[in-house]
Amino acid sequence: SQTIHQWPATLVQPVGSPLSLECTVEGTSNPNLYWYRQAAGRGLQLLFYSVGIGQISSEVPQNLSASRPQDRQFILSSKKLLLSDSGFYLCAWSATGGNSPLHFGNGTRLTVT
Amino acid sequence: DQQVKQNSPSLSVQEGRISILNCDYTNSMFDYFLWYKKYPAEGPTFLISISSIKDKNEDGRFTVFLNKSAKHLSLHIVPSQPGDSAVYFCAASGYGGATNKLIFGTGTLLAVQP
Repeated sequence: SQTIHQWPATLVQPVGSPLSLECTVEGTSNPNLYWYRQAAGRGLQLLFYSVGIGQISSEVPQNLSASRPQDRQFILSSKKLLLSDSGFYLCAWSATGGNSPLHFGNGTRLTVT
Repeated sequence: DQQVKQNSPSLSVQEGRISILNCDYTNSMFDYFLWYKKYPAEGPTFLISISSIKDKNEDGRFTVFLNKSAKHLSLHIVPSQPGDSAVYFCAASGYGGATNKLIFGTGTLLAVQP
């Protein structure tokens, strides 16, 4: 069966520090991968998605970037964190093609102080 | 512009009764709709989906209804159980192609009272 791992579970970082969140998927090949963010009291906002190694699409302009160095690895990064980057970050995967559900990891709670 | 809306931030239901969660959307290009359940500090868990060629899909205690003319979908949980207490998100997509980018509503907190 497929599993998705996301770490760390919680992170407290000062403003201006770098960020690296990692996500890996097991049990499937060539998945679509996604990064979402949930801000306090709001829905889930799509940040990035990837259909293959090295292929990244950004949905919203922001202080973050994403990379996919391996088929089942997805990384969310920032060179300098802002207070507004605080939130709950979720990685997800889906099978290729449309009309298939996304399966989420357990998320990372990021607090920028 | 919020393309997927859940206008009820919370809902309280007695155990054993029916829970009805509602969702409205504005984009007529959406053709795939999903419901997710989320506990605090965890990722959302996929519950049930429906494609626009259907108006109902059932899976155990969960049934999703789609009214395309009204751009409205609902999730029925019968009978409701205390373990169903969570935040429920509806989501939609219509981009097709190689990806399945979901647009989410803001969620409804369901509390099932024993």
